[in-house]
Amino acid sequence: GESVGLHLPTLSVQEGDNSIINCAYSNSASDYFIWYKQESGKGPQFIIDIRSNMDKRQGQRVTVLLNKTVKHLSLQIAATQPGDSAVYFCAENGVTGGGNKLTFGTGTQLKVEL
Amino acid sequence: DTGVSQDPRHKITKRGQNVTFRCDPISEHNRLYWYRQTLGQGPEFLTYFQNEAQLEKSRLLSDRFSAERPKGSFSTLEIQRTEQGDSAMYLCASSWSGGFSPLHFGNGTRLTVT
Repeated sequence: GESVGLHLPTLSVQEGDNSIINCAYSNSASDYFIWYKQESGKGPQFIIDIRSNMDKRQGQRVTVLLNKTVKHLSLQIAATQPGDSAVYFCAENGVTGGGNKLTFGTGTQLKVEL
Repeated sequence: DTGVSQDPRHKITKRGQNVTFRCDPISEHNRLYWYRQTLGQGPEFLTYFQNEAQLEKSRLLSDRFSAERPKGSFSTLEIQRTEQGDSAMYLCASSWSGGFSPLHFGNGTRLTVT
């Protein structure tokens, strides 16, 4: 079945450095991808999304890159801050059943060291 | 706060008891989703509604689970005859149905079955 996976379960970075979180997806029919941030005890918080007709999209301090050839997604966080410490999930919509039903990976824990 | 609201935040129940959770979506959103998340894992899709119609259910949603959205606004998720394996975070999300619209999540209901 379809799966969304993450390369690294934990990523530690120094405050002020850039962070890159990677994600591999397996459903080549997926055409919509989202990154979420989840802090302890809270629900996933939308960060940024990208459609399959784009390769790159930028937000405030975040950039998402999509490589459809190798089915790879990455989230770049510029000038990482302590408040960025959280678990990050990528999610894809697939096309099964529609409705923007998302399939999530297991997440990457980002730890920002002072 | 006009985000997705879930109640209660925490629920402790004994095995065999029934529990019901409530979700109030963002008012402009016509789609509502239920997800389940266990520790260290990404959210797993359970079911979703468009207005009052339940359009899809995951095979994870056993016969003991039922969800309703009677007036197309708030939704309830009931679990009958709870089992220890039902212990998880139950997340609700809402979105627009038009185009590619991200899901916005509530902070979940943490269920513990003893």
